[in-house]
Amino acid sequence: GQQLNQSPQSMFIQEGEDVSMNCTSSSIFNTWLWYKQDPGEGPVLLIALYKAGELTSNGRLTAQFGITRKDSFLNISASIPSDVGIYFCAGRVNDMRFGAGTRLTVKP
Amino acid sequence: EAGVVQSPRYKIIEKKQPVAFWCNPISGHNTLYWYLQNLGQGPELLIRYENEEAVDDSQLPKDRFSAERLKGVDSTLKIQPAELGDSAVYLCASSLGWAGELFFGEGSRLTVL
Repeated sequence: GQQLNQSPQSMFIQEGEDVSMNCTSSSIFNTWLWYKQDPGEGPVLLIALYKAGELTSNGRLTAQFGITRKDSFLNISASIPSDVGIYFCAGRVNDMRFGAGTRLTVKP
Repeated sequence: EAGVVQSPRYKIIEKKQPVAFWCNPISGHNTLYWYLQNLGQGPELLIRYENEEAVDDSQLPKDRFSAERLKGVDSTLKIQPAELGDSAVYLCASSLGWAGELFFGEGSRLTVL
């Protein structure tokens, strides 16, 4: 089963708004990854984090590796319609575990 | 550079029939994964290979599922016999070493009737 608690489960936002989602666990992870999945496609890697406290950006996306190593968040600034999809966090110690996903809907 | 390639993209079978999925990882990636993704859920690991060795298959239902990666490159995942509950997307991923970033294929969507 899933050991990562990802929230929120879904978000409905207006184009141009900022978005924030997070992932927490009772376990410590060495790596956090964030993926986006479009319908009928495989997950696509957005950002990878390898050190506690690390803050990394990829365009309008920013993600942070929590200091406790038990959490991570992803922010999307100035959302656009193509941001629609399901975002997954993934954490690794021995193997990669995935959260249940945050489904994002962006209204034009 | 080609990404992870999976086939078939879609497969519809009747229960109790066998089915096989094929995966070609990114060139040079020695670590290969098979994940199961149920509707509305995140991927769940079935098996991880380091080269041709299955190093983590604890989540693979071995009574009906089998996998192989004979030459340490391509891999196949087989289900025999398939059950209704096996309907899901089967994702293959690869990485450059165990600690590397995972790159996924487009998945094989299985429907068991």
